[in-house]
Amino acid sequence: DTGVSQNPRHKITKRGQNVTFRCDPISEHNRLYWYRQTLGQGPEFLTYFQNEAQLEKSRLLSDRFSAERPKGSFSTLEIQRTEQGDSAMYLCASSPGGAVNSPLHFGNGTRLTVT
Amino acid sequence: SQQGEEDPQALSIQEGENATMNCSYKTSINNLQWYRQNSGRGLVHLILIRSNEREKHSGRLRVTLDTSKKSSSLLITASRAADTASYFCATWNSGSARQLTFGSGTQLTVLP
Repeated sequence: DTGVSQNPRHKITKRGQNVTFRCDPISEHNRLYWYRQTLGQGPEFLTYFQNEAQLEKSRLLSDRFSAERPKGSFSTLEIQRTEQGDSAMYLCASSPGGAVNSPLHFGNGTRLTVT
Repeated sequence: SQQGEEDPQALSIQEGENATMNCSYKTSINNLQWYRQNSGRGLVHLILIRSNEREKHSGRLRVTLDTSKKSSSLLITASRAADTASYFCATWNSGSARQLTFGSGTQLTVLP
């Protein structure tokens, strides 16, 4: 399977705990995106990487959120001191470099529930 | 904030009927894309229409784009139960490869 892979698929955590999600993009895709989606809404942009460089972050990405993409391959999204409002689906997507504005390839997401 | 807004929010039709969803957006664009999302899954790209195109077809899908009205429509012909999903339009701001902004989606239910 050469699609975007996200782990874990589901995460239940208690408020105040830290969580980390992983995304493995399609091989050789140098652009990687994180989105958050709540029920009944469209995905909301969180952050964008080109290779290992984090080039854009949304205002939604509070200081409790941090994303990394070491070596320009997989990426991690960490949420510290989780709050109930962080409950959502976290989606990762990737796209190839070169073509401007090319379509995104999404993973199946990590569903976070904060109790 | 959402760049695109889909209309209607929910649509229920019988198998075999056509389904039309509309999308409005706010800023100038290079292209507009439509995505589909099955419940609990990631989004799947359906079709991309460039700003200099007015209509595009892909199988049972037909997309139109009216840049003067900042709107697009997605038509699914001869719908099937398997078309049941949420459909989202998405736009890049002109010249930006950094942020694809999605609308709030249309939930389509096709009844067998």
